Amino acid sequence: QKEVEQNSGPLSVPEGAIASLNCTYSDRVSQSFFWYRQYSGKSPELIMSIYSNGDKEDGRFTAQLNKASQYVSLLIRDSQPSDSATYLCAAGANAGGTSYGKLTFGQGTILTVHP
Amino acid sequence: DGGITQSPKYLFRKEGQNVTLSCEQNLNHDAMYWYRQDPGQGLRLIYYSQIVNDFQKGDIAEGYSVSREKKESFPLTVTSAQKNPTAFYLCASSAGRIQETQYFGPGTRLLVL
Repeated sequence: QKEVEQNSGPLSVPEGAIASLNCTYSDRVSQSFFWYRQYSGKSPELIMSIYSNGDKEDGRFTAQLNKASQYVSLLIRDSQPSDSATYLCAAGANAGGTSYGKLTFGQGTILTVHP
Repeated sequence: DGGITQSPKYLFRKEGQNVTLSCEQNLNHDAMYWYRQDPGQGLRLIYYSQIVNDFQKGDIAEGYSVSREKKESFPLTVTSAQKNPTAFYLCASSAGRIQETQYFGPGTRLLVL
């Protein structure tokens, strides 16, 4: 059974701080990782994808992947109240895997950024 | 505009009734997916399809059925066998073979009368 676990929330940070969201996965076959943001009552929207070990930056967001530790994280710099949402981590098997095309989602972490 | 549409936004089901949720995409994506989300929880895969006229069960397929007669359409039927259907239902699509990134429709909220 593939599992994706996210750090328990809710997470509360002050405006302007760095928010750190963490995710671990159990299936070593996993090769692709995604972070989605979901506002209350809305559908998930993609923030970032990451496939290689190391850091990937996009604006205020940085995704970090460590395949040896089976760990992926999302850092949000200069957090804003508009970043308040549930963040979902997902893992995929990538090309050639028997689970090709399927993603396994974590349970989500609720982030609140307070002024 | 390219995207994924789901209808209706809200759906009410009576006891013993089958209801069908619509999902359409104009992204020319090969793969389509149905997820269920319960309050405070992540997404659970119901069914997925990687090609027309073919689909596979996900983790919680019991009480649900799907069809994939056209590339752009992947309707989900919640049957009377699904005893606890109240949830937020999300449809997603991906290019499939090369790109796994999934993009989501706006969702349908199903409530039981």
